[in-house]
Amino acid sequence: SQTIHQWPATLVQPVGSPLSLECTVEGTSNPNLYWYRQAAGRGLQLLFYSVGIGQISSEVPQNLSASRPQDRQFILSSKKLLLSDSGFYLCAWEDGFNQPQHFGDGTRLSIL
Amino acid sequence: GESVGLHLPTLSVQEGDNSIINCAYSNSASDYFIWYKQESGKGPQFIIDIRSNMDKRQGQRVTVLLNKTVKHLSLQIAATQPGDSAVYFCAENFNKFYFGSGTKLNVKP
Repeated sequence: SQTIHQWPATLVQPVGSPLSLECTVEGTSNPNLYWYRQAAGRGLQLLFYSVGIGQISSEVPQNLSASRPQDRQFILSSKKLLLSDSGFYLCAWEDGFNQPQHFGDGTRLSIL
Repeated sequence: GESVGLHLPTLSVQEGDNSIINCAYSNSASDYFIWYKQESGKGPQFIIDIRSNMDKRQGQRVTVLLNKTVKHLSLQIAATQPGDSAVYFCAENFNKFYFGSGTKLNVKP
C-alpha cells in the first residue's frame, strides 16, 4: 500500500534562517506531488505541485521554493524565512489528475 | 478565485445520532468531489469521493450526496461515534482542487 511521510512534524526557526521540509511517498510511481499551507480556520492553499522529476509549478509568489530531485521525493525550501511563513505545511500525492489526493501528517512551522 | 464554503462551522451531535455536514461549492463545472476528515495536529484523511455523474455514493457508515442543481454537497455519518470528532471539509476539482475551511464535528458521549 502507498504511504506518505513528512518530516519534521514540528519546527521552530528564527526569522532569516533557511528551511527544508521533506516529503517522500512509497508504494507508487510517478505520482503528482503537492505542497499546501493550511492556516487556522482556512482552506488549504496550494503552494507548489509537480508532475515529474524536476518539474515544479508554483501557484503563488512567495518566499518559498520546491524541488523534486527524485520521483517520490518533494522538498519545500526557503533561503530566508519570514514571520509570515509560519503555518501548517502539508504534502500530498495523487496517482493522476482528478484522483484522490492523500496527505501526510504535516509540519507545524513556527517562526520566531 | 474559486471558493468552497460550509454552512456550519461547528456541529454538535449526541453519540449514536446521525450527522449531516454540508458544503456549498461554487463552480458548476467541477466534476469531482472529496470529503476529508482532519483530526487535530494531523493531515487530512480521505473519507469518500463522488464524481459529477453520480448523485449519491455510500461507504462504511458514510454517504455523500451531490446536488448539482444547487451546487451542494453533503456528508452523512450514521451512528456517530466519539472517534468521528474532527474537522470535516470538502474539496471540489476543476483543473485543481479547491478546499473548504471545514466544519468541526463534536460528538457528545
